[in-house]
Amino acid sequence: QKEVEQNSGPLSVPEGAIASLNCTYSDRGSQSFFWYRQYSGKSPELIMFIYSNGDKEDGRFTAQLNKASQYVSLLIRDSQPSDSATYLCAAGGNKLTFGTGTQLKVEL
Amino acid sequence: EAGVAQSPRYKIIEKRQSVAFWCNPISGHATLYWYQQILGQGPKLLIQFQNNGVVDDSQLPKDRFSAERLKGVDSTLKIQPAKLEDSAVYLCASSLKAGYNEQFFGPGTRLTVL
Repeated sequence: QKEVEQNSGPLSVPEGAIASLNCTYSDRGSQSFFWYRQYSGKSPELIMFIYSNGDKEDGRFTAQLNKASQYVSLLIRDSQPSDSATYLCAAGGNKLTFGTGTQLKVEL
Repeated sequence: EAGVAQSPRYKIIEKRQSVAFWCNPISGHATLYWYQQILGQGPKLLIQFQNNGVVDDSQLPKDRFSAERLKGVDSTLKIQPAKLEDSAVYLCASSLKAGYNEQFFGPGTRLTVL
């Protein structure tokens, strides 16, 4: 069973802080990794993807991948209340396996 | 560019009834996915189409679920007969081509089975 594990949270951070979301995966054959944001009652929205070891930055978001440790993370700098959502990690090759998501709460 | 379209947005049925969901992917996207998302869980892939062919339906409960994408564009997912445990959001997603995993999701259909 290929699995993607995430801490369900909630992870609470104050406004302006860095939020760090983590994910581990079991399938060493996974080649691509994605972070989706899902607001309550809405569908997942793609925010970042990463294929190679290291860091990838896009605005306030940084995705980090360590294939040796089978570990993916998402950093959100200068967290805003609008970042409050569930963040889904997904890993795969020809198809994606999603984690259960981490609920992030950014507090004023 | 229009996104993935789905209908209906909500559906309430009694157990043992049948229901169908429709999806129209982003124009030009060859790959179409149907996911089931139960409350508190991540999306679970039910079926993946590449054009009008099935790539993966290993997690589709084939005794009650069926899906088709006859002309390689829009798709229909059917449940017959529905069970209580089918209550979930059914998400359709599309991507440009197989192996290109940047998938874009439609708004979903929330199914409640009573």
